[in-house]
Amino acid sequence: ILNVEQSPQSLHVQEGDSTNFTCSFPSSNFYALHWYRWETAKSPEALFVMTLNGDEKKKGRISATLNTKEGYSYLYIKGSQPEDSATYLCASLRYGGSQGNLIFGKGTKLSVKP
Amino acid sequence: KAGVTQTPRYLIKTRGQQVTLSCSPISGHRSVSWYQQTPGQGLQFLFEYFSETQRNKGNFPGRFSGRQFSNSRSEMNVSTLELGDSALYLCASSLKGEVTEAFFGQGTRLTVV
Repeated sequence: ILNVEQSPQSLHVQEGDSTNFTCSFPSSNFYALHWYRWETAKSPEALFVMTLNGDEKKKGRISATLNTKEGYSYLYIKGSQPEDSATYLCASLRYGGSQGNLIFGKGTKLSVKP
Repeated sequence: KAGVTQTPRYLIKTRGQQVTLSCSPISGHRSVSWYQQTPGQGLQFLFEYFSETQRNKGNFPGRFSGRQFSNSRSEMNVSTLELGDSALYLCASSLKGEVTEAFFGQGTRLTVV
C-alpha cells in the first residue's frame, strides 16, 4: 500500500470499555510512525513516535505497537474514559524524508459514552 | 513554553483574492510544516521549511506558496483563491523535522465565498 489507512473510521464505546484501532502504512523505506490525538476545537497532540519493528510504547492507559515488516500499528486504550473522545491520527514517515513527508491517515473518531 | 500560534484563527475571503496566514513555532524549533484539511480528507501536506529553506513540497498548485523568516516564523500565501481552498490550515513545528514529534497550532479556518 502507498497510502496510510486507518480503521475503523469511527467507534462508539461505553466508559470502561477497552478498544483498539489499526493503522496500515507502506512498509517499504519505513522510517517512523507517529500517532496523534485530536480533540475537537484543539490542536493535534503527539502521542507516540515509533521507529523500530516490535516497538511498544505506553502513556497512561494508551499504548501502541509497531510492525514495520507488515506495515501496521495498533493503538490500544484501556478502560476508555469520556475524555478519550477524540480523533486519533497516525502518520507514516518514509526513509529519506523529513517531517514534511509525514503522510497522514484520515483518522479514527472515538466517542466514549459515560 | 508557548505553543505554536497561528493567526488569524478565522478568515473569510472572496474568490480571486489572496490570503496570507501566519505561524509562530515553538521557540527553538527550526522546522515548520503546513497542512490542509478539508472535510473527509486527512491532513494533506503543503510544504515544509527548515532554517528559512523550503525542504519539501506537497502536491499543490503554484498558487500556494510559503516562506520562513530568520526567527523561524512562517507565512503561507494563497493567491487567486478558489472555493475549493476553503479548509482548515494547520502548521506544525518540530525541533529538527525528522523523527521528532510535531507540535501543531490550532489552525486557521479559511472560508472562500
